[in-house]
Amino acid sequence: GDSVTQMEGPVTLSEEAFLTINCTYTATGYPSLFWYVQYPGEGLQLLLKATKADDKGSNKGFEATYRKETTSFHLEKGSVQVSDSAVYFCAIVNTNAGKSTFGDGTTLTVKP
Amino acid sequence: NAGVTQTPKFQVLKTGQSMTLQCAQDMNHNSMYWYRQDPGMGLRLIYYSASEGTTDKGEVPNGYNVSRLNKREFSLRLESAAPSQTSVYFCASSREGMGGYTFGSGTRLTVV
Repeated sequence: GDSVTQMEGPVTLSEEAFLTINCTYTATGYPSLFWYVQYPGEGLQLLLKATKADDKGSNKGFEATYRKETTSFHLEKGSVQVSDSAVYFCAIVNTNAGKSTFGDGTTLTVKP
Repeated sequence: NAGVTQTPKFQVLKTGQSMTLQCAQDMNHNSMYWYRQDPGMGLRLIYYSASEGTTDKGEVPNGYNVSRLNKREFSLRLESAAPSQTSVYFCASSREGMGGYTFGSGTRLTVV
């Protein structure tokens, strides 16, 4: 079945540091790829998405590029802020199934 | 505000009690989902409804039932609660399977 593997956390960075959270997937068909963010005590929020190879999703300074050849969708941000502290989830939606498969989440803490 | 509304936000049950978690969306989305979130296990799909009038099992359906009451509402029922069902439950919706999800804020359930 489909699966998503995320970089294990927790990740702790200083403010203004560069962020990378790795995500790789296995899937039949041609999935769409997503990143979600969850702040403490809240539900997940869609952060960005990409639906075909080489697409770059971006939002709030975060970016991720759909790499079909390496089945990856790594999340990056050039300069993190304390307010970016949250749990980040990578997810795929398979064209055949129409259901999302989520990674286990990566906790990011940004210190001033 | 438009979105996904879950009730209740918190609940404590005794083993063997029953309850229904309610979920409603006002975005005219076709698909709705129930997930549970447990520490170290990410999000696991319990049941989903691809469209009004249809429901299907997800990864962990045992001990749960669902009803897609109409296009807006998708409820999750625990007939006889067990401590293993202590979790945070999230409802989500999407316009179609390939789109991103909109999540509710969650129900924090404790079974003692």
